[in-house]
Amino acid sequence: DGGITQSPKYLFRKEGQNVTLSCEQNLNHDAMYWYRQDPGQGLRLIYYSQIVNDFQKGDIAEGYSVSREKKESFPLTVTSAQKNPTAFYLCASSNPGLARNIQYFGAGTRLSVL
Amino acid sequence: DQQVKQNSPSLSVQEGRISILNCDYTNSMFDYFLWYKKYPAEGPTFLISISSIKDKNEDGRFTVFLNKSAKHLSLHIVPSQPGDSAVYFCAASGAFNAGGTSYGKLTFGQGTILTVHP
Repeated sequence: DGGITQSPKYLFRKEGQNVTLSCEQNLNHDAMYWYRQDPGQGLRLIYYSQIVNDFQKGDIAEGYSVSREKKESFPLTVTSAQKNPTAFYLCASSNPGLARNIQYFGAGTRLSVL
Repeated sequence: DQQVKQNSPSLSVQEGRISILNCDYTNSMFDYFLWYKKYPAEGPTFLISISSIKDKNEDGRFTVFLNKSAKHLSLHIVPSQPGDSAVYFCAASGAFNAGGTSYGKLTFGQGTILTVHP
């Protein structure tokens, strides 16, 4: 089955700790994205990558880092510099050239602070 | 600066009736619009989209209308079913960025919680 897999489903972070959220896709999509959702708000873009070994900051990149070493994988690290990390994190992928801007999402990771 | 706005946080509708969800945008460079449906603790799923060269797109019970002069789009669900109860997000994109190329960035509204009562 083609799709986007995010893990873990729930994650807890201690003060001063870095945590990494996994995102894997087998849709053969070039572009991948990370969003954050807070209650009562829409999805806000953290980072995106159009191609392997390249990524760009989104609207709220501070306190986060990413890598794109493989087409299938786009992990997000929430660093200790992110002072309010509690949120629902969503990963998405797309092939803008084929189906204009339709992004397909994973099931999400809920991050909480201990 | 909220470029895409969904001004109704919630909407309650009786089963079988029409649900109308609204979305306004401010950036005239947006040329492609999408609606996503989201259940709690799940990722959004794509529902329907419309290009700015059209004013209507229909897919089964779902129809999206675009009024470019008013910078307004709406999603109509007819007839509404209890399984349609979810959060609906509108999103917009444009073939532009600082480098002059499209990278598929979507700008989302805040979402509207739709509840369809049996």
